[in-house]
Amino acid sequence: EAGVAQSPRYKIIEKRQSVAFWCNPISGHATLYWYQQILGQGPKLLIQFQNNGVVDDSQLPKDRFSAERLKGVDSTLKIQPAKLEDSAVYLCASSPDGTSEKLFFGSGTQLSVL
Amino acid sequence: GQSLEQPSEVTAVEGAIVQINCTYQTSGFYGLSWYQQHDGGAPTFLSYNALDGLEETGRFSSFLSRSDSYGYLLLQELQMKDSASYFCAAPRVTFGTGTKLQVIP
Repeated sequence: EAGVAQSPRYKIIEKRQSVAFWCNPISGHATLYWYQQILGQGPKLLIQFQNNGVVDDSQLPKDRFSAERLKGVDSTLKIQPAKLEDSAVYLCASSPDGTSEKLFFGSGTQLSVL
Repeated sequence: GQSLEQPSEVTAVEGAIVQINCTYQTSGFYGLSWYQQHDGGAPTFLSYNALDGLEETGRFSSFLSRSDSYGYLLLQELQMKDSASYFCAAPRVTFGTGTKLQVIP
């Protein structure tokens, strides 16, 4: 079966610019997660979707970050405006439902903010 | 809140056994998961412990003691390809600080 697809793989922008990341989860997976992973640290949950609804966005910096999953399938994460400290790998993960302990991760988007 | 602490680095010899520890403080506990991540790669699920005791999956085993707020991942018959970072996680929400395992010949 196809895995979690993410694009782009790499992105370099200047601070105060905007950027968007795309994720297509495994077919049939109802739950989708976005994580931020700073170099040398574990992934940090930004937002969790169940179908097209938000389950948890308590750690999402809502003044600059936004995410949507309009049709309950693929998802977009946006940063506007970007700051230097946003440089990280942005990982998308999916699971069949919100109670599944096994997450399937994509390869991530590596963002560098200059 | 939740926090999970791990040793930052571990070095072990090919063919040996290594244990990676995880201590946690959580407001609500729903078990402990383990993930492997090679440099530049995606985290890959290894195991999940909901209850106390040992779970075995091939060369990898994971242990949980809820009374001690402690768990570990045990890797046996180490191979060079096991060199990677390993994360414990309070499932789905909070990941540990990560342990970088280096396997040497």
